Amino acid sequence: DTGVSQDPRHKITKRGQNVTFRCDPISEHNRLYWYRQTLGQGPEFLTYFQNEAQLEKSRLLSDRFSAERPKGSFSTLEIQRTEQGDSAMYLCASSIPEAFFGQGTRLTVV
Amino acid sequence: QKEVEQNSGPLSVPEGAIASLNCTYSDRGSQSFFWYRQYSGKSPELIMFIYSNGDKEDGRFTAQLNKASQYVSLLIRDSQPSDSATYLCAVESNFGNEKLTFGTGTRLTIIP
Repeated sequence: DTGVSQDPRHKITKRGQNVTFRCDPISEHNRLYWYRQTLGQGPEFLTYFQNEAQLEKSRLLSDRFSAERPKGSFSTLEIQRTEQGDSAMYLCASSIPEAFFGQGTRLTVV
Repeated sequence: QKEVEQNSGPLSVPEGAIASLNCTYSDRGSQSFFWYRQYSGKSPELIMFIYSNGDKEDGRFTAQLNKASQYVSLLIRDSQPSDSATYLCAVESNFGNEKLTFGTGTRLTIIP
């Protein structure tokens, strides 16, 4: 599979728990993006990596959110102490520069 | 003013007709423009991108860009029921800012 892969596809968690999502980009793409999408809205930018360097973080990315891309390959997005407002689809995209999205991880915080 | 604006719709078009989707953007320095299609519950899928003023055609799809008016559109000819989806306009600014800013999307329904 040469597309962008995200895991898990769905995650239900209790408020206050930590969750971690993984994204495997298209192998030859240096840029990797995380977006968040809520119902009826377009994707909103969260953060962006060029290889292993995190170059930009949105103001949407509170201190509870952290993202990494060790060795410039896969990336993880962790949300600590989840809140109900974190419920959304979390999308990963890799880019050359047009962005190709993964299937997304749908997070539900109960 | 939102950075990227689209009519939220829904837009209903008879099968076989032309669907016209519009998008305006506020950053005059924007350089790259993208149209994505998103089916319900799925992730966005790239349809077309356009960088230069004028028209760009790909099959039944035509993207139109007018930088002076800060306007980009997508025309879908011979609309099919499978074209029913939400269409997202995305803009990439310059100044080294390489992230995409999306509109809220236009929901398109093709009526058989």
